[in-house]
Amino acid sequence: QSVLTQPPSVSGAPGQRVTISCTGSNSNIGAGYDVHWYQQLPGTAPKLLIYGDSNRPSGVPDRFSGSKSGTSASLAITGLQAEDEADYYCQSYDSSLSGSVFGGGTKVTVL
Amino acid sequence: EEYLVESGGGLVQPGGSLRLSCAASGFTFSTQGMIWVRQAPGKGLEWLSYISPSSRTIYYAESVKGRFTISRDNAKKSVFLQMNSLRAEDTALYYCARVKGSSVPVMWFDPWGQGTLVSVSS
Repeated sequence: QSVLTQPPSVSGAPGQRVTISCTGSNSNIGAGYDVHWYQQLPGTAPKLLIYGDSNRPSGVPDRFSGSKSGTSASLAITGLQAEDEADYYCQSYDSSLSGSVFGGGTKVTVL
Repeated sequence: EEYLVESGGGLVQPGGSLRLSCAASGFTFSTQGMIWVRQAPGKGLEWLSYISPSSRTIYYAESVKGRFTISRDNAKKSVFLQMNSLRAEDTALYYCARVKGSSVPVMWFDPWGQGTLVSVSS
């Protein structure tokens, strides 16, 4: 049972927009701690996708965007492409655990 | 290019020990915090431990506290994870990653190594 809750899977057709939610509590996202997102392509290590709620590292397409409100955060992928098929994880800090926490991960399928 | 390479994984019996290493290149290792994260087969990511640049500040997840020890050698640009009293549930791919961000509560991880596999079984 992860501290941050994500839907197990989302899917969409090429070109569509999909969103992945990450729901926490008042000891993590709700306390104002930053949310970060990672993409894990099959058989590879996780890669940073979004940091500080909504910032994209150099090289990450602007099709990926992040937002946060209250105790939840979201990752949006617009113009979905076949290469976006991967697992996506949110991460934040939890004050009651005094450490980082990850969401359970969401598998994105391109139909 | 910034690069991390883990090593030291393998098959170990329950109750045994293993020491993982992570070698860094392409960035100033001595000024960066480092972490270990693991991923059990078919499962999600689990943060395990953090060590500050000077080794002065260390944190552990409850699941490994008292059994795992993180350390680093800035001269060798390496971070280590000593794992004792291993259990079947410790079976996972273990990743190291560099910490970015101004403080622990805002830290994120980039880059990641490719991982080293630890299997705990009799």
